[in-house]
Amino acid sequence: SQTIHQWPATLVQPVGSPLSLECTVEGTSNPNLYWYRQAAGRGLQLLFYSVGIGQISSEVPQNLSASRPQDRQFILSSKKLLLSDSGFYLCAWSSNGYTFGSGTRLTVV
Amino acid sequence: QKEVEQNSGPLSVPEGAIASLNCTYSDRGSQSFFWYRQYSGKSPELIMFIYSNGDKEDGRFTAQLNKASQYVSLLIRDSQPSDSATYLCAVSGGAGNMLTFGGGTRLMVKP
Repeated sequence: SQTIHQWPATLVQPVGSPLSLECTVEGTSNPNLYWYRQAAGRGLQLLFYSVGIGQISSEVPQNLSASRPQDRQFILSSKKLLLSDSGFYLCAWSSNGYTFGSGTRLTVV
Repeated sequence: QKEVEQNSGPLSVPEGAIASLNCTYSDRGSQSFFWYRQYSGKSPELIMFIYSNGDKEDGRFTAQLNKASQYVSLLIRDSQPSDSATYLCAVSGGAGNMLTFGGGTRLMVKP
């Protein structure tokens, strides 16, 4: 069966520090992968999506970047975090609809 | 730009009642419609999808689709306090197309 793993579950980082969030998918090949952010009490904001290795599309210009070094691995990064980067980050892959990972709650202090 | 609209709520219903959650979408070419439930602090989980006009039932949940009116709804029968969550409507243009999410409706089921 297909599963999606996302870590860490929670993260507290100081302003200006780097960020790396990882997402991996098992049980499928060449999945479409997505990174979403959800601010407190708000809806889902699509950040990046990828249809294959090395292929990244950005939906929102900001200080975040994404990479897909392997077929089932999707990484969200930042060189210098801002306070506004705080939120709940969700990775998803598409099958029939989307399946979401368990999310990472990021607090930038 | 594709839009999906939901009333943010909260929608408050008594335990045992029918909760009716509504969603409208702007893209007439949309073909697939999904309902997600998101508990506070958790990730969204898919509870139903519907492709054809009419009703689709799964246990206590019924999804209703009216493409002519660009309207999709979710009915929850015999609502339970454990149904209290935010319900997200999502729409896509078809297989392989990205989902567009509504802002979600917060449902509160009171004992």
